[in-house]
Amino acid sequence: NAGVTQTPKFRVLKTGQSMTLLCAQDMNHEYMYWYRQDPGMGLRLIHYSVGEGTTAKGEVPDGYNVSRLKKQNFLLGLESAAPSQTSVYFCASSYSTGHPPTSTDTQYFGPGTRLTVL
Amino acid sequence: GQNIDQPTEMTATEGAIVQINCTYQTSGFNGLFWYQQHAGEAPTFLSYNVLDGLEEKGRFSSFLSRSKGYSYLLLKELQMKDSASYLCAVTQAGTALIFGKGTTLSVSS
Repeated sequence: NAGVTQTPKFRVLKTGQSMTLLCAQDMNHEYMYWYRQDPGMGLRLIHYSVGEGTTAKGEVPDGYNVSRLKKQNFLLGLESAAPSQTSVYFCASSYSTGHPPTSTDTQYFGPGTRLTVL
Repeated sequence: GQNIDQPTEMTATEGAIVQINCTYQTSGFNGLFWYQQHAGEAPTFLSYNVLDGLEEKGRFSSFLSRSKGYSYLLLKELQMKDSASYLCAVTQAGTALIFGKGTTLSVSS
């Protein structure tokens, strides 16, 4: 049981290049999330998905696109990378998002991808 | 809108007790989570509170007061390995977690 995995772990891009970050989870979770973490800014939600074939915008969605074609995978795309997108990107998944939350709403995080845009 | 405040940094010594506070202002509050994040690693779940009161899990406890928009994480018998960032996050109905900026705790011997 690998949990949440992310590829690649590190990447350096030039301004204007594109790339896709892959997140995979083997816990049969419905919900998946992409965050970015910057010094002094904390974790900020980029996009999330409440199930296969669905996506929704988070707090900082501009410059990113996502797709959830399979339940276990959540892809984050950068079409034209900018230096402001230099960050550590974390993917997370959860079984549910209850109202109110329960232990099954716990988010499990992947190890992160360190992206540098020159 | 939403706002979550935590102290930026705290220091403590081995064996001591430390309390990390978190205040929040959100609409439609559902619950509050605490995560631990060691440098260069992913956040890991510590605890969550839905109702007012104290939740205890070993050396860690978390408290919530919904009327005051206030929570704290209490760490007892501090160990060097507790040096990490502690993230407070709140959930709102129908949305994902909103994280605070985190508190970096340094434990010295």
